Amino acid sequence: DTGVSQDPRHKITKRGQNVTFRCDPISEHNRLYWYRQTLGQGPEFLTYFQNEAQLEKSRLLSDRFSAERPKGSFSTLEIQRTEQGDSAMYLCASSSLRTDGIYEQYFGPGTRLTVT
Amino acid sequence: KQEVTQIPAALSVPEGENLVLNCSFTDSAIYNLQWFRQDPGKGLTSLLLIQSSQREQTSGRLNASLDKSSGRSTLYIAASQPGDSATYLCAVISLDSNYQLIWGAGTKLIIKP
Repeated sequence: DTGVSQDPRHKITKRGQNVTFRCDPISEHNRLYWYRQTLGQGPEFLTYFQNEAQLEKSRLLSDRFSAERPKGSFSTLEIQRTEQGDSAMYLCASSSLRTDGIYEQYFGPGTRLTVT
Repeated sequence: KQEVTQIPAALSVPEGENLVLNCSFTDSAIYNLQWFRQDPGKGLTSLLLIQSSQREQTSGRLNASLDKSSGRSTLYIAASQPGDSATYLCAVISLDSNYQLIWGAGTKLIIKP
């Protein structure tokens, strides 16, 4: 296992369609995070899981967005009825507790979504 | 509410120069601060993580410092190379942010050959 992977890397979709992204974390990591990043900005937190439990969701995560991590391994992020404003890079990260008490997050390459 | 600011938004320097990138945060109650690198259209690579009890961390030509009391961190890059061209982001985990990273908008660095 060489790192966090995300699929697909790029997605172009028409407004109103549903899209689903997948994230595979580093295998021994129990925490998994989703972020959204628009051009010229830092990432914005969307949600995170500890094992299979979704512990926190940002107010940015509207009811059109849903995330799952059914077996505490990979995670999916679904966007329903996409809007042009959903166009962004969607980043996934994973972490586990280090011996020094720190959770250091490792990021995947991201999925770039373009809504036309 | 924690806010992270990075100034300047963009920086262009000739190859070989030493340079400093700045990061400031409004709430000094943090667990740690991380510096990341992002190449165009790519994900984020962690460069250095400084715990709240530490003053600095070094990795190769990179040195990051942390002054919690003033809410500042700097990333020092020695002997810059064209391959250092990228966007550099800093992020903090605040005591009240439930382990979420709170990000600056980044500094876009261009190293001219």
